[in-house]
Amino acid sequence: ETGVTQTPRHLVMGMTNKKSLKCEQHLGHNAMYWYKQSAKKPLELMFVYNFKEQTENNSVPSRFSPECPNSSHLFLHLHTLQPEDSALYLCASRPTDTSYEQYFGPGTRLTVT
Amino acid sequence: GEDVEQSLFLSVREGDSSVINCTYTDSSSTYLYWYKQEPGAGLQLLTYIFSNMDMKQDQRLTVLLNKKDKHLSLRIADTQTGDSAIYFCAEAGRRALTFGSGTRLQVQP
Repeated sequence: ETGVTQTPRHLVMGMTNKKSLKCEQHLGHNAMYWYKQSAKKPLELMFVYNFKEQTENNSVPSRFSPECPNSSHLFLHLHTLQPEDSALYLCASRPTDTSYEQYFGPGTRLTVT
Repeated sequence: GEDVEQSLFLSVREGDSSVINCTYTDSSSTYLYWYKQEPGAGLQLLTYIFSNMDMKQDQRLTVLLNKKDKHLSLRIADTQTGDSAIYFCAEAGRRALTFGSGTRLQVQP
């Protein structure tokens, strides 16, 4: 599935840096998701957006700040991260409210030093 | 709450069949999914089954659903080295998809 793209693919940042992850879907989907995947934990849902509105924040620390300017774009703004935030961050999109399957991007491998 | 469990690892020889198992707790699940993740990549949707079905076949893939026991399985026939990956099952509950921890399939030549 090449309809969901994520940039950058790899990111190394210090704990005092500010960076942003970008996700773009070209599938005409209305819902978008951020997940965190680390070696020790399965896929952790972070945020859900439906029609540009945030509908779920899964108790994510405020150092992660999502932004959804339109149904095709999703950002994750990062600031003052911790080394334990190092993980693969996956973006996904979903077609409509009546279908549940999600389509994933390739992920951004984040390393916090 | 919603919970999905899978065994962590499966090793098979090339040409054999692989069976990856999954159990879930949410009886209201409408759809159940299988995703594949290759190294360094995102999750690829492989197949899904609607909760009122008990079997679905798609080429080398067969999905079996035992709704009474809340048990889902994915059978891969004639497993190839290219099938080596992590396989996630997921159930569509009230919130969003709930994923299992993934089963790493290793195919030995």
